[in-house]
Amino acid sequence: EVVLTQSPGTLSLSPGERATLSCWASQSVGTNYLAWYQQKPGQAPRLLIYGASNRATGIPDRFSGSGSGTDFTLTISRLEPEDFAVYYCHQYGRSPYSFGQGTKLEIK
Amino acid sequence: EVQLVESGGGLVQPGGSRRLSCAASGFTLREHDMHWVRQVIGKGLEWVSGIDGPGDTYYPGSVRGRFTVSREDAKNSLYLQMNNLSAGDTAMYYCAKGRLYCSGPTCYRFFDSWGRGTLVTVSS
Repeated sequence: EVVLTQSPGTLSLSPGERATLSCWASQSVGTNYLAWYQQKPGQAPRLLIYGASNRATGIPDRFSGSGSGTDFTLTISRLEPEDFAVYYCHQYGRSPYSFGQGTKLEIK
Repeated sequence: EVQLVESGGGLVQPGGSRRLSCAASGFTLREHDMHWVRQVIGKGLEWVSGIDGPGDTYYPGSVRGRFTVSREDAKNSLYLQMNNLSAGDTAMYYCAKGRLYCSGPTCYRFFDSWGRGTLVTVSS
C-alpha cells in the first residue's frame, strides 16, 4: 500500500508569494500516475496536475509540478487570492489508490 | 459536457445499509474506470472503491467486505452499496471518473471529473 505524506499541513503566505508543497510516497510511484488536486470549501476536488508535471486543461501556468520516484512537489509561482485552498496529491498507479492528507494554503 | 450527480445520502442507523447512486452524462460510463471517494467533513480524501471497464472491482481494506461497487450500463449509472455502517463511515461521498490519457507512447492516469457529492451520516 502506497502512503502519501504531504508537507506542510498548513502553509501561510501572502498573495504574490511563491508556494511550495511537498508530497512524499512510502514506495516509488510512477510519475505517470501522480496527480494534484485543489479543493475549495463546499466544492469537489479539481484536477490541477497529472503525470506529476502536466497542467490540466484551463490551469494557469503559475501552477507547476515536478518530481519522481517518492518525492513530488507542487509549486505556485505567484499566489492569487483564488489559490488559497486545500491541495491533495494522489497516486493512481497501484491499488489501493491513495491521497495525501492535504496541505491547507491560507492567507497570511 | 461530463456530469456526475450523486444521490442516496442521508441519515442511517449504526449497523444499517445505504445504496448511493451516481448518474453519469456526457460520456459512456462502462468505457472508463469509475471510483467512489469519501471525505469526512473537514478532513482529507479517502478512496473507497473502483470499478474498471471490464467490471473488475477494487477496495481498500477499510471497506472490503462491507462496500460493493457496481454499475448499470443501461442507466449509465454507478452505485455503492454500503453495509454494516458505523460512525466512522460518516462522510461526503463523491463519485469520480478515471481517465487514461495517452500522448504518444506515454499514458497517464488521473481522476478528471468529480460529482458534487452526497452526504451520509451514520448516527442513532
